Amino acid sequence: QVQLVESGGGVVQPGRSLRLSCVASGFTFSNDGMHWVRQAPGKGLEWVAVIWHDGSKKYSTNSVKGRFTISRDNSKNTLYLQVNSLRVEDTAVYYCARYWGSGYMNVWGRGTAVTVSS
Amino acid sequence: EIVMTQSPGTLSVSPGERATLSCRASQSVSSNLAWYQQKPGQAPRLLIYDASTRATGIPARFSGSGSGTEFTLTISDLQSEDFAVYYCQQYSNWWTFGQGTKVEIK
Repeated sequence: QVQLVESGGGVVQPGRSLRLSCVASGFTFSNDGMHWVRQAPGKGLEWVAVIWHDGSKKYSTNSVKGRFTISRDNSKNTLYLQVNSLRVEDTAVYYCARYWGSGYMNVWGRGTAVTVSS
Repeated sequence: EIVMTQSPGTLSVSPGERATLSCRASQSVSSNLAWYQQKPGQAPRLLIYDASTRATGIPARFSGSGSGTEFTLTISDLQSEDFAVYYCQQYSNWWTFGQGTKVEIK
């Protein structure tokens, strides 16, 4: 079945970095764009970044521009989010999701938690 | 940025009743509107896309309507498993979510 599994989260100090991963299975990963979405504790959903199926286009929300980088390795069926210069306000569960149709998200992973604290 | 506003924040409904959730966009998003359900500790699940099309496996008691700036998610005959938080999302101009509506047991 179609599945996305995130990993790489953890507890880090402000200013440090992490690389989040999302491994896809059950579908042809290289055919589909992918999103990262995050959710701060007790808060709503926030779109973070998107990447085209072939990696040719990447976009991110303003609050993470210059700090977060989305990428993918289609040979490994894996999506990445490099998160640098972390801030307390980046504390959230980070979900990867498949881009479908005109841009909605039809499959989600279970998320990986990032906590930024000194 | 297109701002999505959901109302009410919390909706108290008895099992078997109908729930009506609203979502308003700050500018037209045409029919580029999705609804997601999220239960505690779980990832969101796609319910409706293109404003009114049910996703695969979603029961017929879930229906979506609207276009432009005003949208509605209706859940008829609420079941125990439907008590959750619901988010609308536009994908017309980048991607933004509403703040969510919690449907709780009355």
